[in-house]
Amino acid sequence: QQQVKQSPQSLIVQKGGISIINCAYENTAFDYFPWYQQFPGKGPALLIAIRPDVSEKKEGRFTISFNKSAKQFSLHIMDSQPGDSATYFCAASIRDSNYQLIWGAGTKLIIKP
Amino acid sequence: DTAVSQTPKYLVTQMGNDKSIKCEQNLGHDTMYWYKQDSKKFLKIMFSYNNKELIINETVPNRFSPKSPDKAHLNLHINSLELGDSAVYFCASSQGGGGTGAFFGQGTRLTVV
Repeated sequence: QQQVKQSPQSLIVQKGGISIINCAYENTAFDYFPWYQQFPGKGPALLIAIRPDVSEKKEGRFTISFNKSAKQFSLHIMDSQPGDSATYFCAASIRDSNYQLIWGAGTKLIIKP
Repeated sequence: DTAVSQTPKYLVTQMGNDKSIKCEQNLGHDTMYWYKQDSKKFLKIMFSYNNKELIINETVPNRFSPKSPDKAHLNLHINSLELGDSAVYFCASSQGGGGTGAFFGQGTRLTVV
């Protein structure tokens, strides 16, 4: 019940296309859902995050869509660029667990020029 | 200014040795973490620590121990290194338990030969 399932494991998108990465969770107590971006040789960096009181959050070309009833959330990258090529992780946390993050397995995204 | 810095970036050592990885954060955060990232990029939390509580992932061997001389530092000591300890280790910090995002260091690639 503590798991966060992320898909796909890898994704190849043409430059200018939309990249979509999905995550699903079981525990309805999760109340914070961040996405992290990791480039080779670097640590994960917080990209965008959402709380369950909203269904969508947009920051530039990055959008989180959140479906509370389906217990799913997704990251959309519009106008994908080669510089977006990285590994993306979704995560979730529960207030009662002192907000310790539960991580998805990661998606390796490659944007083809 | 580097927010979370860890040293060394690379560490190659022989089986059976004892080694330490240092981590410092200048964000004023009250919680620090150690993560292990395996070759498949999966992130596994090892420890979370603030001035009140050390939470240990029960799957982490007791050869691994965190040491915090002060709020801004959390070092990782590893005794009797094994081949399976080879991985990238990340230090991270957050305010509270990560409910507002965790900030990661650049990682230490540990290779045990």
